[in-house]
Amino acid sequence: DAKTTQPNSMESNEEEPVHLPCNHSTISGTDYIHWYRQLPSQGPEYVIHGLTSNVNNRMASLAIAEDRKSSTLILHRATLRDAAVYYCIRCWGGGFKTIFGAGTRLFVKA
Amino acid sequence: DSGVTQTPKHLITATGQRVTLRCSPRSGDLSVYWYQQSLDQGLQFLIQYYNGEERAKGNILERFSAQQFPDLHSELNLSSLELGDSALYFCASSAGGEGNYEQYFGPGTRLTVT
Repeated sequence: DAKTTQPNSMESNEEEPVHLPCNHSTISGTDYIHWYRQLPSQGPEYVIHGLTSNVNNRMASLAIAEDRKSSTLILHRATLRDAAVYYCIRCWGGGFKTIFGAGTRLFVKA
Repeated sequence: DSGVTQTPKHLITATGQRVTLRCSPRSGDLSVYWYQQSLDQGLQFLIQYYNGEERAKGNILERFSAQQFPDLHSELNLSSLELGDSALYFCASSAGGEGNYEQYFGPGTRLTVT
């Protein structure tokens, strides 16, 4: 099964860190883990991706478990603009190997 | 702005008809992907092209077809349309065709079949 598992929703306060978990227990060695987010009425937006090592970029950090069966997207300081649906996806070769799940809807409180 | 453009933004048509959705990738990107997003199915990968060649297929119906032209723009053709084909159709592009490339999504085409 190529699905990833994420909580349906999470809530955070503005300017606090947010940890969004994802389970991908059936991941294979060549699958990359990608995170995208989608704001209302917009196309998905790339956030970050990685293979084995933890990754950082200007938007977020990605922590990948040593066994690669799970990962966590970390937003260091949530802002109201970060309120969106976040998708964790396995990506191999062409396209995305898995059907996008429902993702995690992140609510950010002022 | 992701740099990926899609036309038209909205399309309303009747059952049984055929439509063509167009996508222009970001400058320099060789790979184009098509996705369908409906309320009950979420976001589904349909098909990928890389430098003019089909690279990967997802849950694309036989009534749907796509191609990527020499200038790298792509078209998704939907025929014998049914009510259930009403959805948002997104195009995305990436520099390469492998899983280590990030994808950039266009704003989507909203298709309504009546």
